Amino acid sequence: EVQLVQSGAEVKKPGESLRISCKSSGYAFTDYSITWVRQMPGKGLECMGDIDPSDSYTNYSPSFQGHVTFSADKSISTAYLQWSSLKASDSAMYYCARHYDGSGLDFWGQGTLVTVSS
Amino acid sequence: QSVLTQPPSVSGAPGQRVTISCTGNSSNIGAGYDVHWYQQLPGTAPKLLIYGHTNRPSGVPDRFSGSKSGTSASLAISGLQAEDEADYYCQSYDSSLSGSYVFGTGTKVTVL
Repeated sequence: EVQLVQSGAEVKKPGESLRISCKSSGYAFTDYSITWVRQMPGKGLECMGDIDPSDSYTNYSPSFQGHVTFSADKSISTAYLQWSSLKASDSAMYYCARHYDGSGLDFWGQGTLVTVSS
Repeated sequence: QSVLTQPPSVSGAPGQRVTISCTGNSSNIGAGYDVHWYQQLPGTAPKLLIYGHTNRPSGVPDRFSGSKSGTSASLAISGLQAEDEADYYCQSYDSSLSGSYVFGTGTKVTVL
């Protein structure tokens, strides 16, 4: 059974750093990209970009380029989303999802809620 | 602001058929890139409903169907049921700027 399990909710202060995780199981981790999706409170879905775990090649959506970093550890089938300096506007639900060209985002994590507040 | 535009809301009575449009341009849907559709029930992660314009993943009822024409795509829900009340999003690739996948603005479906 394919599963993507994300790390738990986080409460941080502005300026702090953060890394959230997405652990995959039930399939060959390096055969699919991982896409990260942001959903701000009461708003729609935004595609942040994706990472190919086979070679860690990343592709960032223009709105997120330079603000976040994707990484992946093949040895533990886990993808990461990282901020070096959080802002209040980063408060949102973040989802990871498995992606294969032409097949959409077919399996999703349960989401990680990030709250940034002083 | 998304480059894929959807109506904010649609509604219908149980058993009726509703359609949701997803309007793009020549940099995304019109360029031939795949369109996918997702359903997001309240408080849950999105779920893939349609991929590659018209294909349903295993387990998705055939009440859901997708189509594409020119620079637009549509999702149709026939035999509307109470459990279909959710937010729906289209997704495609956009080749403008640096190129990236984009979601539509989202549509709330209400079952009357």
